Amino acid sequence: KQEVTQIPAALSVPEGENLVLNCSFTDSAIYNLQWFRQDPGKGLTSLLLIQSSQREQTSGRLNASLDKSSGRSTLYIAASQPGDSATYLCAVSNTGNQFYFGTGTSLTVIP
Amino acid sequence: GAVVSQHPSRVICKSGTSVKIECRSLDFQATTMFWYRQFPKQSLMLMATSNEGSKATYEQGVEKDKFLINHASLTLSTLTVASAHPEDSSFYICSARDGGADTQYFGPGTRLTVL
Repeated sequence: KQEVTQIPAALSVPEGENLVLNCSFTDSAIYNLQWFRQDPGKGLTSLLLIQSSQREQTSGRLNASLDKSSGRSTLYIAASQPGDSATYLCAVSNTGNQFYFGTGTSLTVIP
Repeated sequence: GAVVSQHPSRVICKSGTSVKIECRSLDFQATTMFWYRQFPKQSLMLMATSNEGSKATYEQGVEKDKFLINHASLTLSTLTVASAHPEDSSFYICSARDGGADTQYFGPGTRLTVL
């Protein structure tokens, strides 16, 4: 069964700093990997989706990379802003159907 | 882009009440929908996979007689929590797979509080 781990569990940074969130997974035979943002008490906002054949995806200040062979993905956030404060979830799908979620990284960007 | 809606967004009920949550794909047909739940400070865990016109597949440890899933059409799946108890209080999120676009979209979630 796929297991997804996210490190760190919590992160606090001053505004403007660049930061990296890490995700690792145990089964490298994935179909795709997705990064989500979740605000307190809210649903999921999809940030970036990386297919198994891709190495990275970019959207604005966000860049996600994927290294299937090592079972790792990183989410890079440039020039962080207080509005980036949220929990970031990494999720992996082996078949394109169900997703296995990590426990998330709670990010606080201090003004 | 594609949208998945859930109704209601929040429900508070007394113990023993049955609660129905709807998940709709608004602009695509979803042959497969998924139901997840998220307990406080934990991540999402898959409860069941719902295929249109057939019985749902439940994950280990999820009681199928308590969490009744109906996927009667290509745009609607319902989750009914039968005789809800306080330990069922959770955030329930559905997702729908757009087979044509090979993409999955998540709903906004339903927060269930059982008193």
